[in-house]
Amino acid sequence: EAGVVQSPRYKIIEKKQPVAFWCNPISGHNTLYWYLQNLGQGPELLIRYENEEAVDDSQLPKDRFSAERLKGVDSTLKIQPAELGDSAVYLCASSFFSDTQYFGPGTRLTVL
Amino acid sequence: QQQVKQSPQSLIVQKGGISIINCAYENTAFDYFPWYQQFPGKGPALLIAIRPDVSEKKEGRFTISFNKSAKQFSLHIMDSQPGDSATYFCAASGGVAGNQFYFGTGTSLTVIP
Repeated sequence: EAGVVQSPRYKIIEKKQPVAFWCNPISGHNTLYWYLQNLGQGPELLIRYENEEAVDDSQLPKDRFSAERLKGVDSTLKIQPAELGDSAVYLCASSFFSDTQYFGPGTRLTVL
Repeated sequence: QQQVKQSPQSLIVQKGGISIINCAYENTAFDYFPWYQQFPGKGPALLIAIRPDVSEKKEGRFTISFNKSAKQFSLHIMDSQPGDSATYFCAASGGVAGNQFYFGTGTSLTVIP
């Protein structure tokens, strides 16, 4: 079974530029999570989807971050414009009506 | 407010020794407590998890001890191996949090050969 796929794995951009991350969850998983992980820290939830619906986006900085999950499968997380403080690893995870989350490898973003 | 507090921040253990990582939580409604293992450049991977209806769960060399009254749980790695060197995160979810997970800050474990 294929795991959670994320792309790109690495991204380097200059500040004020836009950037987008893509996530393909495990087939059949209805719940999808986007996390931000700073160096030496645990993952912090940005947004959680149940199928197409964003059920928890309270921690998403909506002035610059946006996300979508069309058709309840793949998801895209966008930052526009990026700031220096956005440099981090962005993790996607998925689960199916269960407690077990499966994480992707993450996208490491560097904002110069 | 940190929902899950984890300690120590880093841990160095000799090969064959026991590694112990502790976590404490605030919300008594949490009912699922997983531990994740993360290697550099990889996403976290579920290692072992426990629910509050049992006080201990063992899978191979990994054991979770759970103390509901103290709102604490810990990970014990027996016979620690160099391949266990990684960052370990505890987490908690459940109750009104539903499928939302709260993670500890992580413990960097180094097992010396």
